[in-house]
Amino acid sequence: ETGVTQSPTHLIKTRGQQVTLRCSSQSGHNTVSWYQQALGQGPQFIFQYYREEENGRGNFPPRFSGLQFPNYSSELNVNALELDDSALYLCASSLDGPNSPLHFGNGTRLTVT
Amino acid sequence: QQQVKQSPQSLIVQKGGISIINCAYENTAFDYFPWYQQFPGKGPALLIAIRPDVSEKKEGRFTISFNKSAKQFSLHIMDSQPGDSATYFCAAAGYSNASKIIFGSGTRLSIQP
Repeated sequence: ETGVTQSPTHLIKTRGQQVTLRCSSQSGHNTVSWYQQALGQGPQFIFQYYREEENGRGNFPPRFSGLQFPNYSSELNVNALELDDSALYLCASSLDGPNSPLHFGNGTRLTVT
Repeated sequence: QQQVKQSPQSLIVQKGGISIINCAYENTAFDYFPWYQQFPGKGPALLIAIRPDVSEKKEGRFTISFNKSAKQFSLHIMDSQPGDSATYFCAAAGYSNASKIIFGSGTRLSIQP
């Protein structure tokens, strides 16, 4: 069973630039969620994708957007990067339905300078 | 609005002792309460979870105690080991979609040999 994989592992961008982070979900999982984890904090829900549609969104501005592909992999795009966007971005996959646990990848560490 | 409050921020326990981490929630619509364990450089991993129809759940050395009327729940780690040293997050979600999880701020646990 292949777990959740994320790429790249580390990324450095300049304020104002755009970034795309990628995630391959665990085999058989049809739902992908993205979380932002600032240093020393708990993960914050960004949004979730199910069957290629956004299925819920947290308190993040529209410059955070995403995609889910037919193979259930996903991308997180962030436009007009700000210094406060520096964080660990976590992707988690799950099976749709109640009590379906999240399986997290190891994240992408984004640094905005 | 911090919907899940976690304490303490950090905890030092002697090997063989009991580690206790506490959480409180506000939203009565929450009905799925997982705990996640995160090691440095890794994504969070599900440790144990409980639903509010039971007051306690035990898996090995890990026990969740749940008090629905007080809207509080806690994690007890019995016979704590140095390998348990990690950051622990309590979390909450609605039963209809356990993927949209609200995390607490985390407890950094250190087990002294």
